[in-house]
Amino acid sequence: GAVVSQHPSRVICKSGTSVKIECRSLDFQATTMFWYRQFPKKSLMLMATSNEGSKATYEQGVEKDKFLINHASLTLSTLTVTSAHPEDSSFYICSARDSGQWGNQPQHFGDGTRLSIL
Amino acid sequence: SQKIEQNSEALNIQEGKTATLTCNYTNYSPAYLQWYRQDPGRGPVFLLLIRENEKEKRKERLKVTFDTTLKQSLFHITASQPADSATYLCALDPNDYKLSFGAGTTVTVRA
Repeated sequence: GAVVSQHPSRVICKSGTSVKIECRSLDFQATTMFWYRQFPKKSLMLMATSNEGSKATYEQGVEKDKFLINHASLTLSTLTVTSAHPEDSSFYICSARDSGQWGNQPQHFGDGTRLSIL
Repeated sequence: SQKIEQNSEALNIQEGKTATLTCNYTNYSPAYLQWYRQDPGRGPVFLLLIRENEKEKRKERLKVTFDTTLKQSLFHITASQPADSATYLCALDPNDYKLSFGAGTTVTVRA
């Protein structure tokens, strides 16, 4: 089945550090990937849509300068949380759509990154 | 405002019984509705997708219904097993691939 690998799974760092999270589709190509944020017992909130070879589109209220997204290849998107502060602590999850499949297809999710800013 | 509500935060059932979860939405016109399973500390795993013109979909012990008039989807797990214990999320897709998720219902199946 389609596998999405997300790395690292856990990050603990000091306030002011920038943190990069990688999302890779292992056995399919993804022109579109998505980045979500999830708080405990809350729903996944879409932050941005990552588009291969072009700029990401951000949801309302998400700071693009704070959450930098790069989608440089058909199998890799990265999210960089710049100058992270304690309020950025959360569970970040990526997903990818299989570009080789027609019609509406489910998204394949990574296992998330638990970010803790001290 | 747009809202997706899943009936309850937690559902406890006896092994072998049927679990029924509800997903209600307002101010959405989804072309597709999807159900995912999420285990603690993990990403969601896709279970079933149902289109707006479909009434019911089945996969093994799982069944989903979709009523666009009531703006509701029901998700059933029949002959439930302890391994079915997880959080189940419904997600709406208006046909632009951007999913909107409910908060989930955590199911606990007692042996």
